[in-house]
Amino acid sequence: AQTVTQSQPEMSVQEAETVTLSCTYDTSENNYYLFWYKQPPSRQMILVIRQEAYKQQNATENRFSVNFQKAAKSFSLKISDSQLGDTAMYFCAFKAPYNNNDMRFGAGTRLTVKP
Amino acid sequence: GAGVSQSPRYKVAKRGQDVALRCDPISGHVSLFWYQQALGQGPEFLTYFQNEAQLDKSGLPSDRFFAERPEGSVSTLKIQRTQQEDSAVYLCASSLSSGSGKSRANVLTFGAGSRLTVL
Repeated sequence: AQTVTQSQPEMSVQEAETVTLSCTYDTSENNYYLFWYKQPPSRQMILVIRQEAYKQQNATENRFSVNFQKAAKSFSLKISDSQLGDTAMYFCAFKAPYNNNDMRFGAGTRLTVKP
Repeated sequence: GAGVSQSPRYKVAKRGQDVALRCDPISGHVSLFWYQQALGQGPEFLTYFQNEAQLDKSGLPSDRFFAERPEGSVSTLKIQRTQQEDSAVYLCASSLSSGSGKSRANVLTFGAGSRLTVL
């Protein structure tokens, strides 16, 4: 079974600085999808960024980028130029491609951006 | 609608009461998922629908939990004889895809959740 581990329960960063959130996963699959979701206090889970395992190039979405290390099964999220609105819970998620209902989430990292 | 809508946003129930939580997915989305999110935890899978068919209910914690999606759009999660351990946020998500394929089709769009507190 796939598992997702987020080893940082809480992180903080100064506004405008850069922060990296860690995620590791365990799978025997070669092809899969990885996601980072943001959950602000409103509780709405918002997709931040996604990565297909067969793509070597790291995904980037504006201030958000990932460091995908397939051999190490690591999928960290880097937030550049942190903004106060980035304060939220961040969840890493793994999904096998053949099973539409098999999405596993990590326990989350609470990020606080300080002014 | 433009997003996934869930109601009620907050529900307080006395132990032993039945509750019903509603999810209105994005129009045209084939797949619908229910997750349970305990305080300080990530979402845990409960059940999955493809149109009106409930293809996987392996995550439902007990037979007190029941979900339906009779017409392939709106879904209801029902919890009978609620217990304190049922207190959680119940998230609904939908996706366009019915299975494997391009990554865009695997993206889940979540609702804001229903927070259930059982006293």
